[in-house]
Amino acid sequence: QKEVEQDPGPLSVPEGAIVSLNCTYSNSAFQYFMWYRQYSRKGPELLMYTYSSGNKEDGRFTAQVDKSSKYISLFIRDSQPSDSATYLCASLLQGAQKLVFGQGTRLTINP
Amino acid sequence: NAGVMQNPRHLVRRRGQEARLRCSPMKGHSHVYWYRQLPEEGLKFMVYLQKENIIDESGMPKERFSAEFPKEGPSILRIQQVVRGDSAAYFCASSPGLGQGQGVHYGYTFGSGTRLTVV
Repeated sequence: QKEVEQDPGPLSVPEGAIVSLNCTYSNSAFQYFMWYRQYSRKGPELLMYTYSSGNKEDGRFTAQVDKSSKYISLFIRDSQPSDSATYLCASLLQGAQKLVFGQGTRLTINP
Repeated sequence: NAGVMQNPRHLVRRRGQEARLRCSPMKGHSHVYWYRQLPEEGLKFMVYLQKENIIDESGMPKERFSAEFPKEGPSILRIQQVVRGDSAAYFCASSPGLGQGQGVHYGYTFGSGTRLTVV
């Protein structure tokens, strides 16, 4: 079983829709949960991270972590064509340096 | 303010040749990480280095792969006697130090990667 599981998609939605991206993880010791965005032929860029459980909001993006169900979510409101990319969730143990990534979900926002 | 610089962007090697991938971290960053991304897969950790030290190489294949981060110059990921299965995108990331206090994470900045193709 992979430590972090993510549906690879692809996911295609119309512009303006609310997008929900999800991951599950198996290691209950993970404390940091990140979302990265990766455009084609580029490196991943950090969108936001959450420590332990809870929500975090940054503009149109909201990250949620539910440690009881080991579920990680990213919501994108008012989605734009420029949001089209691969979204990667990643987890990290407290005190560790090794990010554990999900497979990535390829998202397309259609104008 | 240059980001993490990786070169070359694309590298083609014949089976059995050596591949050398270079990574210059962001200015002020002393920690370097290498990740590999196989087609249709997420990134997999390979190795974590500080200047002149390998801290964690638990993700490195046991043979043919090595990494270094010398006192001067870029970090190098070296793959000897490449095989077709080594074809992948190799990403380097850097950070300013231990990436987290309690609840705080500095994040890693990734480069644009080197795409290795073995023919």
